[in-house]
Amino acid sequence: AQTVTQSQPEMSVQEAETVTLSCTYDTSESDYYLFWYKQPPSRQMILVIRQEAYKQQNATENRFSVNFQKAAKSFSLKISDSQLGDAAMYFCAYRRANSGGIGSNYKLTFGKGTLLTVNP
Amino acid sequence: KAGVTQTPRYLIKTRGQQVTLSCSPISGHRSVSWYQQTPGQGLQFLFEYFSETQRNKGNFPGRFSGRQFSNSRSEMNVSTLELGDSALYLCASSFKGFNSPLHFGNGTRLTVT
Repeated sequence: AQTVTQSQPEMSVQEAETVTLSCTYDTSESDYYLFWYKQPPSRQMILVIRQEAYKQQNATENRFSVNFQKAAKSFSLKISDSQLGDAAMYFCAYRRANSGGIGSNYKLTFGKGTLLTVNP
Repeated sequence: KAGVTQTPRYLIKTRGQQVTLSCSPISGHRSVSWYQQTPGQGLQFLFEYFSETQRNKGNFPGRFSGRQFSNSRSEMNVSTLELGDSALYLCASSFKGFNSPLHFGNGTRLTVT
């Protein structure tokens, strides 16, 4: 079974600084997707960034970027120029790429989360 | 376009009762998944529906069930509630296709007393 581990229960960063959240995962699959989701106090899970395992290039979305190390099964999230609105719980998640046809592979395996605090 | 809508937002039930939660996906989305979120266990997959058929199920007892209607709206039911069922229940929808991201609702906070 796939597992996702986030070793940092809490992190804090000063506004405008850079912070990196860690995530490791375990899988025997060669093709899969990795995600970072953000959950603010409103409770809604918001997709921050996505990485396809077959792509060597690290994904970036504005101030958010990842460091994907497939051999090490590591998937860290870097937030640059941190803003107060970035404060939230961040979850790393894994999904198999292919498990039986359209509509049958949307199971996400989540890590326990990292609570990010942004200090003004 | 409206997002994923979950009702109700909050629910308080007594042990032994049953409860039904509702989820309306984003228009055009045919896949709906349910997750349970607790402080101890984190986020755990409950089940996934596509075109009214359950395609995948997590490791939950048979007291947890769900269904999807022809308009893609989904409901989940928990019978014989236990204190440990207290959680945030999140619904997510997705368009067809392997590469489609999940869009989550705001969840239903269930408290069992």
